[in-house]
Amino acid sequence: TQLLEQSPQFLSIQEGENLTVYCNSSSVFSSLQWYRQEPGEGPVLLVTVVTGGEVKKLKRLTFQFGDARKDSSLHITAAQPGDTGLYLCAGAPGTYKYIFGTGTRLKVLA
Amino acid sequence: EAQVTQNPRYLITVTGKKLTVTCSQNMNHEYMSWYRQDPGLGLRQIYYSMNVEVTDKGDVPEGYKVSRKEKRNFPLILESPSPNQTSLYFCASRQGGSTDTQYFGPGTRLTVL
Repeated sequence: TQLLEQSPQFLSIQEGENLTVYCNSSSVFSSLQWYRQEPGEGPVLLVTVVTGGEVKKLKRLTFQFGDARKDSSLHITAAQPGDTGLYLCAGAPGTYKYIFGTGTRLKVLA
Repeated sequence: EAQVTQNPRYLITVTGKKLTVTCSQNMNHEYMSWYRQDPGLGLRQIYYSMNVEVTDKGDVPEGYKVSRKEKRNFPLILESPSPNQTSLYFCASRQGGSTDTQYFGPGTRLTVL
């Protein structure tokens, strides 16, 4: 069974701090997505990365796909309370299936 | 408005009583999927469908059935629910391959007593 390990599981930081969330696997993925989930809602897609080494930026969020397409990271610069939520990575081993990570619950304190 | 809807949003039932959770999307998407979300385990894929009448098992299909008779609907059926199926369930849809945006429904919280 393919697994995606996310770390850390929980993160509580002050507004303005930087943070990095990691998503690691021993398996290769054809693509990888990052989602954010708010309480009582379904996950919402933030970004999709496809190419090994690819870096994408979404305002203060920077996403990187590992060179070997087995891992990814999400870096948030100057975190804000609005960034609070559950962050999930999801790897696609092929066309149809997804393997989701265990999630990182982020709380940004004002 | 483009959306995925699920019903019911909350359900409390007893062991063995058959139930169906409905899922509908209005985006004409080819691909639909069901997930369950449990603390510490993330989302796990139950079943997915690539098109009408085409379905396949995900990672945790035991105890569940699905059908895809129409493109817009993808119901999840629990023929004989058990307490270990207590979970938060999400339906999702996307147009095509794994790089397309996957849209999730609001979730159904199921408790099996």
